[in-house]
Amino acid sequence: GAVVSQHPSRVICKSGTSVKIECRSLDFQATTMFWYRQFPKQSLMLMATSNEGSKATYEQGVEKDKFLINHASLTLSTLTVTSAHPEDSSFYICSAYGYGYTFGSGTRLTVV
Amino acid sequence: GESVGLHLPTLSVQEGDNSIINCAYSNSASDYFIWYKQESGKGPQFIIDIRSNMDKRQGQRVTVLLNKTVKHLSLQIAATQPGDSAVYFCAEEETSGSRLTFGEGTQLTVNP
Repeated sequence: GAVVSQHPSRVICKSGTSVKIECRSLDFQATTMFWYRQFPKQSLMLMATSNEGSKATYEQGVEKDKFLINHASLTLSTLTVTSAHPEDSSFYICSAYGYGYTFGSGTRLTVV
Repeated sequence: GESVGLHLPTLSVQEGDNSIINCAYSNSASDYFIWYKQESGKGPQFIIDIRSNMDKRQGQRVTVLLNKTVKHLSLQIAATQPGDSAVYFCAEEETSGSRLTFGEGTQLTVNP
């Protein structure tokens, strides 16, 4: 079946630094990839939608200069949290659309 | 629109009982609906889906019911097991591959 690999699973970074999260579709080509953020005991909130080779579309209220998304190929999208602050600490989840929606295992980001 | 909640509704059942988890969706134009299971620290896992031209679909131990008139979706789990303990989310899609909007989620706890 369709598999999406997301790395790292956990990351701790210092305030002010940047963190990159990778999302790869392993056995299919994803026409679209999605990035979600999830706070404890809350639902998944869509941050942005990206298509290969084009600029990402960000949801209202999501800072595009802070959450940089690169979708360089049909199998890889990256989310870079720039100048991270403690309030960016969250669970980030990617989803790739190819044969339906397939989700990654998530990345727990802690900014200290 | 996005679903935001400050806490998750909970459902506690005894092992072997049937569970019913409900979801109200917001977009009358939504055409496709999915139920996901999310265990702590993991990404959402597909359970079952249904299109808007159906009102019921069955899987192994799970059944999804769709009532478009009142924009209501339910997930029935038969003979609930401790391994079913997780958070369950409904998600809706308006256009194929466009985006998924998640409901608030329900924390299911199965007591042995």
